Amino acid sequence: IQLTQSPSSLSASVGDRVTITCRASQGISSYLAWYQQKPGKAPKLLIYAASTLQSGVPSRFSGSGSGTDFTLTISSLQPEDFATYYCQQLNSYPTFGQGTRLEIK
Amino acid sequence: EVQLVESGGGLVQPGRSLRLSCAASGFTFDDYAMHWVRQAPGKGLEWVSGISWNSGSIGYADSVKGRFTISRDNAKNSLYLQMNSLRAEDTALYYCAKDIAADTAMVTFDYWGQGTLVTVSS
Repeated sequence: IQLTQSPSSLSASVGDRVTITCRASQGISSYLAWYQQKPGKAPKLLIYAASTLQSGVPSRFSGSGSGTDFTLTISSLQPEDFATYYCQQLNSYPTFGQGTRLEIK
Repeated sequence: EVQLVESGGGLVQPGRSLRLSCAASGFTFDDYAMHWVRQAPGKGLEWVSGISWNSGSIGYADSVKGRFTISRDNAKNSLYLQMNSLRAEDTALYYCAKDIAADTAMVTFDYWGQGTLVTVSS
């Protein structure tokens, strides 16, 4: 199963609302997760099962979608949110999207 | 506090072998599936292999099938990856990752180590 994220990169300002999309090559129900990775650091789980917020993750992050189309939304960007974001489909041979780099405008 | 500490990486020639280890602490190790995920320099994430809590279910990415072997020792709270016939394209930072579940039917990585770098070059 291939995952395609868009955009590949994005420039935004603190306080902006940002949406990243992930499209699967075939239906995956709600079996999708989102991760945040900062330079030199390991990825961090943000959302799983498409819309369940991982414990400790700020509520400005939200996920939605099912089937083939999914979105990650950050309601009001904070300085610490500038990072690369990956989607991942959850089946027993998991795959990741190519990543979306979120940069400061 | 969950901790995953990888070791065993280094510089190795093509065709040679390397064994990675991951020491886990801060959770009941034998309650969860575990995985290896890699990231080539400047590239995205690639799942490599996963193993269920009791080693009853094991999976590999096509890119490493037949060359890599995952295993775990629940008595030692440790995960391993035996890598044989290494190729230049195996060069990457290898992360150990904990699953949120015991089996590997639906894979979600809730904790990650800091990674160990494997460089395959002559």
